[in-house]
Amino acid sequence: RKEVEQDPGPFNVPEGATVAFNCTYSNSASQSFFWYRQDCRKEPKLLMSVYSSGNEDGRFTAQLNRASQYISLLIRDSKLSDSATYLCVVVPHTGRRALTFGSGTRLQVQP
Amino acid sequence: GAGVSQTPSNKVTEKGKYVELRCDPISGHTALYWYRQSLGQGPEFLIYFQGTGAADDSGLPNDRFFAVRPEGSVSTLKIQRTERGDSAVYLCASSLTGTFQETQYFGPGTRLLVL
Repeated sequence: RKEVEQDPGPFNVPEGATVAFNCTYSNSASQSFFWYRQDCRKEPKLLMSVYSSGNEDGRFTAQLNRASQYISLLIRDSKLSDSATYLCVVVPHTGRRALTFGSGTRLQVQP
Repeated sequence: GAGVSQTPSNKVTEKGKYVELRCDPISGHTALYWYRQSLGQGPEFLIYFQGTGAADDSGLPNDRFFAVRPEGSVSTLKIQRTERGDSAVYLCASSLTGTFQETQYFGPGTRLLVL
């Protein structure tokens, strides 16, 4: 079983739609959680950190459920510019610094 | 300020050859990471430096892979006797001090193709 699992998609949605991505992780000792965004043939860039209390940044909302080892990302009012691959990222435990990435979920927002 | 830079941006080599990939982290960042990304996959961790020392090299796939950071800034990833399976994008990232909550900033990557 992979440490971080995501639905690869693609998710094809119209502009203005709300879309949600889910991710599960296997290591219950994981300490830090992030969503990164990666455009085609570009490097990953941090979208947002994910906290147990949930957090929001404009149209983006991230949630963490430690009991179920589940992370989600909600994008409201999708824009064409949101088209990208969204990578779920976990830091397994405080002794490690390396990021563990899921394979990514591809989003295509259609006009 | 300048972000993480990597050279070359593309490298084509033949099976069995030796290659070096260079990473220039953000100035002042003590932590430096190497990842490898294959098509359709997320990046996979290779090695992490804190200053000049390799604090975690558990992701290096075998002894053909080696990395150095002699002065605590620029790092070089070295691959000996390259194989076709080494073809991937090699990403470098840096962070300020290396704490687990810190943002890692990625460079644009080096696309390695082994023929």
